[in-house]
This record gives sequence, C-alpha cells and structure tokens, in this order.
Amino acid sequence: QPVLTQSSSASASLGSSVKLTCTLSSGHSSYIIAWHQQQPGKAPRYLMKLEGSGSYNKGSGVPDRFSGSSSGADRYLTISNLQSEDEADYYCETWDSNSYVVFGGGTKLTVL
Amino acid sequence: EVQLVESGGGLVQPGRSLRLSCAASGFTFDDYAMHWVRQAPGKGLEWVSGISWNSGSIGYADSVKGRFTISRDNAKNSLYLQMNSLRAEDTALYYCAKGSSPYYDFWSGELDYWGQGTLVTVSS
Repeated sequence: QPVLTQSSSASASLGSSVKLTCTLSSGHSSYIIAWHQQQPGKAPRYLMKLEGSGSYNKGSGVPDRFSGSSSGADRYLTISNLQSEDEADYYCETWDSNSYVVFGGGTKLTVL
Repeated sequence: EVQLVESGGGLVQPGRSLRLSCAASGFTFDDYAMHWVRQAPGKGLEWVSGISWNSGSIGYADSVKGRFTISRDNAKNSLYLQMNSLRAEDTALYYCAKGSSPYYDFWSGELDYWGQGTLVTVSS
C-alpha cells in the first residue's frame, strides 16, 4: 500500500516562494495525489490534483500562486508570493483499491 | 455551491454509541462517493470510511473496522456514520468529504470538498 512522506515543517518569508514535497513509497511512484490546505482552526480545503507527469488541476477558487509539479516519486506544491494566510498545514492524499485513501503526515508551513 | 454540514457529535462514554450525519447540498449527491475523515486533537488527517455513489462499495480503516458503519440515503442527500463501542482514541473532529469523480468506487479519486466537522469526545 502507498505511504506518503512529508516534512513536518517548513518556513519561508512573506512574498517569497516555497516548495513543499510529498514522496510516494517504493512501487507507487506513478500515483496521482491531491494537495489539501488546512488553515489554523479551519477545515481542510482541496487545492489540486497532481499527476506523475506534473500535470495538475486546481480546485475552485485556488489562487494562481499555487502550482504543482512532479519528479519521480516526488510530488511538489509550490506557493509563490507567500501571503500570511498561506500559513497552514498542508496534506497530500492518494488512493488505491487496497489501502483506499491515504494521507501524508502533513507539513506545517510558517510564513516569516 | 457545495455544502457539507456535519452533526451528531458530542461527549460520550467509552463503550457507548454515537451516530454522525452529514447533510449535502449544491451537487448531485447520488452521483458521488462520500467519505468520513477524522483528526485527533493536534494530529493529522486520518481516513475513516468511504462509500460509493450507490452504496455498492464500502471500506473502512483498520482502526474502526467492525465498530463503525457508514451508510447513505440518496433520497435525503445525507451521509451517516454509526459509531459503536467507542474508545478514547476515537476522540477527534470528524469531517464529511465528497469524492471528486462521479460513479466511481469510493477509493478512486481525491476528496474535493470538506465539511466543517463535528467533534466527538469519548471520555468517562
């Protein structure tokens, strides 16, 4: 079954860019994932679906500052021109017929 | 606008039962798989259970298998989670979430909308 590995924390300055990583376990490098954002005290929000090719489709209302990319088993979420409201936890998600739905442990992003 | 509104949470003693509900609107409910995801205090997201659009396919996390039952009533645009034999480790905020792809099995595709959650606290 797939395992998603995320760094526990990341930080970047206001107005800069940050690239968060979600790594798929061995044997699952082709899997499609999704990225979700959870701001403090709020419900998660779907950001995008990201394929192994690097192609991504964003959810409704997701700003252009959010983009996705892929390399091998790594799936990336890049946030440009960081805003204070981007300070949040970011989770990746994947799915298959054996383990059903799987989440990564989440990355806590701090905007300095 | 898609809306998912959970209800039914509360404080319950270990070993007792609770039934969560999720009222859906803003989309054709009976076209999509639905899920329950929980988040223990200060922890990450944990998928709990999913059900396909026609209830033909259902799945559970190992941590709740045999104790929780997911169901849906497409006529009422509602999703349910019957939780029996509750344990302290079931304490969490429970979210209802919508699957992204119509007519797919519940494990095909990402979750694209989330409710605000309902809090379940299991304690004596």
